[in-house]
Amino acid sequence: KAGVTQTPRYLIKTRGQQVTLSCSPISGHRSVSWYQQTPGQGLQFLFEYFSETQRNKGNFPGRFSGRQFSNSRSEMNVSTLELGDSALYLCASSFSPSGANTDTQYFGPGTRLTVL
Amino acid sequence: GQNIDQPTEMTATEGAIVQINCTYQTSGFNGLFWYQQHAGEAPTFLSYNVLDGLEEKGRFSSFLSRSKGYSYLLLKELQMKDSASYLCAVRDGPVYSSASKIIFGSGTRLSIRP
Repeated sequence: KAGVTQTPRYLIKTRGQQVTLSCSPISGHRSVSWYQQTPGQGLQFLFEYFSETQRNKGNFPGRFSGRQFSNSRSEMNVSTLELGDSALYLCASSFSPSGANTDTQYFGPGTRLTVL
Repeated sequence: GQNIDQPTEMTATEGAIVQINCTYQTSGFNGLFWYQQHAGEAPTFLSYNVLDGLEEKGRFSSFLSRSKGYSYLLLKELQMKDSASYLCAVRDGPVYSSASKIIFGSGTRLSIRP
């Protein structure tokens, strides 16, 4: 079974631009979560999607948004990029068969975003 | 507030045993995870504890005490490839609650020396 995939793997943008990152979960997994990882802050939870609905949200500004499609693939968007948005963005999927969000999360390789 | 504490860095010797501690203060508790992350790679799942006690999985074991808000990851027969960051994470909400999320500690960078 293929793992979680994320595209692109690397991205360079300038301040003020917007960016869209994509995540394909493990086949059969219905829950997708997004995290931002920086050396100073560690892994920070952005949001979680399940069955095309945002189920939970972390403490990030409204410039960070996401969505999930019917095939469970997910995208996250960051508008009006700031220098501080430079980070590794990780996507994780879990099975969550009945909607219970207790299952182990499996991470993708991440997208490294650099904002200049 | 919600807080997860673990040492920033540890060093150990190949073949030895090391224990990485994690303490947590969260509004709720529904399980504790340990992940391993090699530099430049994604975290990979190591263990999950939801009840008190020790869970053993090969060279790795994880312990949980819910009353003390404490967990540790024990690595035996250390190998050079065990050099990585180890992340402690807690699910803070009840089962089936849409309000629950996973909170990660900042990670412990473990260096193994020959």
